[in-house]
Amino acid sequence: AQSVSQHNHHVILSEAASLELGCNYSYGGTVNLFWYVQYPGQHLQLLLKYFSGDPLVKGIKGFEAEFIKSKFSFNLRKPSVQWSDTAEYFCAVHNTNAGKSTFGDGTTLTVKP
Amino acid sequence: EAQVTQNPRYLITVTGKKLTVTCSQNMNHEYMSWYRQDPGLGLRQIYYSMNVEVTDKGDVPEGYKVSRKEKRNFPLILESPSPNQTSLYFCASSHRDRNTEAFFGQGTRLTVV
Repeated sequence: AQSVSQHNHHVILSEAASLELGCNYSYGGTVNLFWYVQYPGQHLQLLLKYFSGDPLVKGIKGFEAEFIKSKFSFNLRKPSVQWSDTAEYFCAVHNTNAGKSTFGDGTTLTVKP
Repeated sequence: EAQVTQNPRYLITVTGKKLTVTCSQNMNHEYMSWYRQDPGLGLRQIYYSMNVEVTDKGDVPEGYKVSRKEKRNFPLILESPSPNQTSLYFCASSHRDRNTEAFFGQGTRLTVV
């Protein structure tokens, strides 16, 4: 069965600090990988996605993620966070064969001004 | 405007009283899915559908039913709701064969008393 593990449940940073959120998944087949963001009281929105090709993908708002196949990882990074990045972040795996999607438990990011 | 519409946004009901949460998308997506979001547990997939008349169980299908009679609609049915189904529910849709991300509805906050 596929699963997604996010390493940090709650991260607190000061503005301008660098961010890295860990995500590991377990599934040996073809997957699509995503990071979604959920701002307080809102629905999930896509930050970035990986389907194939360059393992370093860039998303909106200065976020990027690197797919490392050998480590089954898809870590999210941002060089300098802003107060407006305060939100919950979800890593997700979509199994293209079975059609099943699995989300991580989420990481709550709090950025202090 | 491309969107996924859920109704109602908020619902308080009593144990055992059947209810339906509707989900409709206007993007001609083949794939639709229901999730529940609970604190500390992330999003868990309830049911998904890869096309009309095709539905499959996700990770937490017990106590729920779905149907996919039309491409645009994917209602979630709780035949006999119980308090442990109190949660925030999201519907999502995406293309099946093209690599795209999921588009999420605004969410339905359900309370079963």
